[in-house]
Amino acid sequence: GQQVMQIPQYQHVQEGEDFTTYCNSSTTLSNIQWYKQRPGGHPVFLIQLVKSGEVKKQKRLTFQFGEAKKNSSLHITATQTTDVGTYFCAGRRSAGNMLTFGGGTRLMVKP
Amino acid sequence: NAGVTQTPKFRVLKTGQSMTLLCAQDMNHEYMYWYRQDPGMGLRLIHYSVGEGTTAKGEVPDGYNVSRLKKQNFLLGLESAAPSQTSVYFCASRRGGDTYGYTFGSGTRLTVV
Repeated sequence: GQQVMQIPQYQHVQEGEDFTTYCNSSTTLSNIQWYKQRPGGHPVFLIQLVKSGEVKKQKRLTFQFGEAKKNSSLHITATQTTDVGTYFCAGRRSAGNMLTFGGGTRLMVKP
Repeated sequence: NAGVTQTPKFRVLKTGQSMTLLCAQDMNHEYMYWYRQDPGMGLRLIHYSVGEGTTAKGEVPDGYNVSRLKKQNFLLGLESAAPSQTSVYFCASRRGGDTYGYTFGSGTRLTVV
């Protein structure tokens, strides 16, 4: 079946440093979504990428979808303590199919 | 607009007991999902529904049953709880079409002793 892997599993950064999490799929994806889950909270939808090579920005967050549509990344510039949480990618193999979630990257930010 | 509401928020069960988790959404979403979240394992799909009266198995359906008698409600049942079902359960819903993200409920923390 489809597998979605995320690395790293954990990341500690000093406030102000950059952070990147990577998502890799074993199959080509039709689209990929990103979610953020604060400690003790529930996942919250951030964004969806659909096109090969697509890049989207949300303030300090930059999302990329690979040319082959098998990988994606989330980059946070100048982390803040409010960025703390677990970031999940979720890929859809084809239209109408289910999302498969990656294992998540837990970000911890030292003030 | 409450979004997705899950009840209860916490529950402790004894092995062999049964219970039902309720998920209710007020956004008129077609699709609804039940996930479980365990440490280090991300979110795993248990069952899902693409509309009122329809349900389907997800990745880890064994030991669970679901029903969607009304569009706004999606129930998850555990007939005979086992310690392996100790987890945090999330319900999610979304509109039809692949361009929409999921809206998650706040979760139910279930412990089976």
